[in-house]
Amino acid sequence: GQNIDQPTEMTATEGAIVQINCTYQTSGFNGLFWYQQHAGEAPTFLSYNVLDGLEEKGRFSSFLSRSKGYSYLLLKELQMKDSASYLCAVRRDYKLSFGAGTTVTVRA
Amino acid sequence: SQTIHQWPATLVQPVGSPLSLECTVEGTSNPNLYWYRQAAGRGLQLLFYSVGIGQISSEVPQNLSASRPQDRQFILSSKKLLLSDSGFYLCAWTQGLAGHNEQFFGPGTRLTVL
Repeated sequence: GQNIDQPTEMTATEGAIVQINCTYQTSGFNGLFWYQQHAGEAPTFLSYNVLDGLEEKGRFSSFLSRSKGYSYLLLKELQMKDSASYLCAVRRDYKLSFGAGTTVTVRA
Repeated sequence: SQTIHQWPATLVQPVGSPLSLECTVEGTSNPNLYWYRQAAGRGLQLLFYSVGIGQISSEVPQNLSASRPQDRQFILSSKKLLLSDSGFYLCAWTQGLAGHNEQFFGPGTRLTVL
């Protein structure tokens, strides 16, 4: 099975940077995904990592270390619309296992 | 382009009543289909997945069942709802087996069992 841990909540100021950590333990690994979920809505895809290193997509970056079972999502130049839950998910075969999500609140 | 539909959007049902939630995908063929449940303040729990018509894999033993009568249709059912079945039900699809293929989620059904 998979154990996926991420912080429950984080708060940051508009324009700042926030880093959301995710640690996982898995018996198989086919990649790690980050999703964004606004309250009451469906998750939307943000990033995918399968090899070690940093993937950058505009204001969002995601990092993976497979040997450490560790990933982080970096959100730069925070905007109010970035207030949402961020879900870490590990893929094994056909399936994704999700963490409980990190609720990020951006303050003016 | 591909789209995924779920209905109904919201549902209030009494304990012991039956349930049928429907999910359809347009613009693709032979997708992998998934049902998740998200309880309040919790992560997504995978309930069922299907890699083809009539093929259903169950992840969590419970009083729910799933069926895939057509290639792009996935149905979640229950004969008798429990209070603990309340939650946000999400259908998702992905194409093929490539690891980088992300899952696309439908808009969800919010179910309240009273």
